[in-house]
Amino acid sequence: ETGVTQTPRHLVMGMTNKKSLKCEQHLGHNAMYWYKQSAKKPLELMFVYSLEERVENNSVPSRFSPECPNSSHLFLHLHTLQPEDSALYLCASSQDASGRGSLETQYFGPGTRLLVL
Amino acid sequence: DQQVKQNSPSLSVQEGRISILNCDYTNSMFDYFLWYKKYPAEGPTFLISISSIKDKNEDGRFTVFLNKSAKHLSLHIVPSQPGDSAVYFCAAGSSNYKLTFGKGTLLTVNP
Repeated sequence: ETGVTQTPRHLVMGMTNKKSLKCEQHLGHNAMYWYKQSAKKPLELMFVYSLEERVENNSVPSRFSPECPNSSHLFLHLHTLQPEDSALYLCASSQDASGRGSLETQYFGPGTRLLVL
Repeated sequence: DQQVKQNSPSLSVQEGRISILNCDYTNSMFDYFLWYKKYPAEGPTFLISISSIKDKNEDGRFTVFLNKSAKHLSLHIVPSQPGDSAVYFCAAGSSNYKLTFGKGTLLTVNP
């Protein structure tokens, strides 16, 4: 397995369900990201983890809860979502996210297509 | 207000010709720019990047041009191939991890 993988690829859930999205990177990177892409909107950064520490929470509602147990794995726990949360959720990784150096290229997974009914 | 704009939602080009994808930005703090390509049902794939100290970067058929005074960058693909048909995203950032993306341009290369 290479690059960045995400599971599941598709998810349908009701508003009262609890589900989790999983991301795994095989690139030896230290930083991982969650993005949301809604229809006809640019990618929106949600969370950033650097060396398993959250360095960014981009004003995301608490019904989205990230978890980064190690530098290779990233989860997004979902509970009591709304229909407007239906979107493509993309995970990405980069070598670093220290903010001290030049911007690092981010590498994306294939995404999870989420539908909230 | 969108800081990175791709004003053309779509572009259609004949195979073998040049494809030119455009991107404008408003934040003068941006100093690093990237282009990503996205096929349906896949995540964005990094294509090429350029830092603000350069005005051109070339990689095979792909060349990115940066005009800092106009806050404009463009991606040239020559010659265009049908396999290049995808959505192209422009992204910009400064010396941290935050990338700001445009909405994307759908490129269709016709055989």
